[in-house]
Amino acid sequence: SAVISQKPSRDICQRGTSLTIQCQVDSQVTMMFWYRQQPGQSLTLIATANQGSEATYESGFVIDKFPISRPNLTFSTLTVSNMSPEDSSIYLCSAKTGNRAPHEKLFFGSGTQLSVL
Amino acid sequence: KQEVTQIPAALSVPEGENLVLNCSFTDSAIYNLQWFRQDPGKGLTSLLLIQSSQREQTSGRLNASLDKSSGRSTLYIAASQPGDSATYLCAYFGKYNFNKFYFGSGTKLNVKP
Repeated sequence: SAVISQKPSRDICQRGTSLTIQCQVDSQVTMMFWYRQQPGQSLTLIATANQGSEATYESGFVIDKFPISRPNLTFSTLTVSNMSPEDSSIYLCSAKTGNRAPHEKLFFGSGTQLSVL
Repeated sequence: KQEVTQIPAALSVPEGENLVLNCSFTDSAIYNLQWFRQDPGKGLTSLLLIQSSQREQTSGRLNASLDKSSGRSTLYIAASQPGDSATYLCAYFGKYNFNKFYFGSGTKLNVKP
């Protein structure tokens, strides 16, 4: 298993500002992901954070809006840039653990609840 | 297109009742399926993982089953308690992409004292 620490847990931000969310895993993991969960909705994958290289973004998400860093195998950050009220969501960091399929399991951080005024 | 459906969207039961949550999927190439619990405004907590070669998994009062041929998974909760109140989500990844997880929209469970 893995324990994922995510911070901040919540924040209220002004329109046009940026917020960086940090994610720390207590063990080395191969894959880290960032998800967004809008109110009342399921999870939408923003990007896969790749260690030592640029993140892989899903359709509808771009690096300028959601820059991601992953300097090592246990840490990643997601920045929500130039925020608008539409960015109000829960942002979730996750990691996949296990040596190989089919033993791999997905774990999540506690989430960051973001409100943009 | 891979779709995951969870019915019902919301469920309210009295304490002590046994209940079943449903998860349906259209992907015939499902590999592993995982059940999660989410408390309001929080992250997801992994409950059970059913590997591709398994048909069910049990943990305490929880039992999850997987029937790939019919495209269904169920989560059985025995003797429900108010502390079980949360949203339950299922998710899977397929055998062609182990890094792409498909999530249902969840069943919001309320267990009344």
